[in-house]
Amino acid sequence: GQQLNQSPQSMFIQEGEDVSMNCTSSSIFNTWLWYKQDPGEGPVLLIALYKAGELTSNGRLTAQFGITRKDSFLNISASIPSDVGIYFCAGPIQGAQKLVFGQGTRLTINP
Amino acid sequence: DGGITQSPKYLFRKEGQNVTLSCEQNLNHDAMYWYRQDPGQGLRLIYYSQIVNDFQKGDIAEGYSVSREKKESFPLTVTSAQKNPTAFYLCASSIWVTSGKDIQYFGAGTRLSVL
Repeated sequence: GQQLNQSPQSMFIQEGEDVSMNCTSSSIFNTWLWYKQDPGEGPVLLIALYKAGELTSNGRLTAQFGITRKDSFLNISASIPSDVGIYFCAGPIQGAQKLVFGQGTRLTINP
Repeated sequence: DGGITQSPKYLFRKEGQNVTLSCEQNLNHDAMYWYRQDPGQGLRLIYYSQIVNDFQKGDIAEGYSVSREKKESFPLTVTSAQKNPTAFYLCASSIWVTSGKDIQYFGAGTRLSVL
């Protein structure tokens, strides 16, 4: 079945550093979604990507839909303490009204 | 405010007991979903419903049951057959579309623990 491999699994960075994470699949996706989950809360949508090659920004966050449609990237610039959390990529399973999620990237920031 | 409300925030289950987690949405979304999240893990789909009075099993449906009698509500029952119910449970909803551009919106979650 369609699966998403997200890396890295965890990141420990200093405040102010830039962050990069990615999501890959052996299958083609027509949509890529990036969510952030704060501790003890539900995931919140950060960015949605609908077209191969698309580059979309949301404040300090930038996400790209890979040209091959098999990967996506999320970058965070100048990290701040509130960026701490788990970041998930997700994509719709073809022929079904449901999403598949990556395993998540846990971001920890040292002040 | 429009959104998805899950209750309770924390729930404790005794051995052999069934418990029901509530999920209500006022977004007028057709589809609703239940996920299970274990510590350090991603989201696993339990059940989903695309329309009232219809629902489908997800990847880990054993030991769980659902109903969809109203568009706004999709309660999840964790039965005594679920031997390892301790987890964080998330409810989501989305507009039913076939374009592949659907987005799921999540509630704040219910943390279930076994006494």
